[in-house]
Amino acid sequence: QSALTQPRSVSGSPGQSVTISCTGTSSDVGGYNYVSWYQQHPGKAPKLMIYDVSKRPSGVPDRFSGSKSGNTASLTISGLQAEDEADYYCCSYAGSSRVFGTGTKVTVL
Amino acid sequence: QVQLVESGGGVVQPGGSLRLSCAASGFTFSSYGMHWVRQAPGKGLEWVAFIRYDGSNKYYADSVKGRFTISRDNSKNTLYLQMNSLRAEDTAVYYCAKDHIVVVPAAIGYWGQGTLVTVSS
Repeated sequence: QSALTQPRSVSGSPGQSVTISCTGTSSDVGGYNYVSWYQQHPGKAPKLMIYDVSKRPSGVPDRFSGSKSGNTASLTISGLQAEDEADYYCCSYAGSSRVFGTGTKVTVL
Repeated sequence: QVQLVESGGGVVQPGGSLRLSCAASGFTFSSYGMHWVRQAPGKGLEWVAFIRYDGSNKYYADSVKGRFTISRDNSKNTLYLQMNSLRAEDTAVYYCAKDHIVVVPAAIGYWGQGTLVTVSS
């Protein structure tokens, strides 16, 4: 149950796009189409942004999109806005358990 | 609206025990799988445990297996986490969370605000 690998930080200017990668193994990310992404602002609980690789829950802006190729999943934020500045975590189903990513801090310049 | 309210956190000595509770409302608790997820101070998220909607199956992270027990009382809309043999590395904010949808497996959906557990002498 090793944590999935994410970049420590990414940044972009308002209006730009940023992509966060999430690399696992064939036992988690690569083995199932059950990757989810969470946004966490400081001192707050995480919020579900993407589930089942690319599905958006109701109320999540369509600026957020997800994809997967092999053992790596990705979250793309298009048209970056100030309120998108937060920590982002991926999470994968791993055959009855779950494993989270190491987390990525998104900074809006 | 969905509400998950954790309680039971506090300061406990190494080797001690603590029971966390999570009171659920705003949805049909007995239809959803439930999770506990923790976050050590300044660190990332770590999945702890999962229980199916009817309590029939329970799964644990290797780091807590044999020490922690997840359970639920669907008549009281309440989720529990019994934590025994606590270690300093168990210090974290513990979040209660519900599956996003009733299909299995499902993403972890809505999260409570968390309760802080500090293991220290």
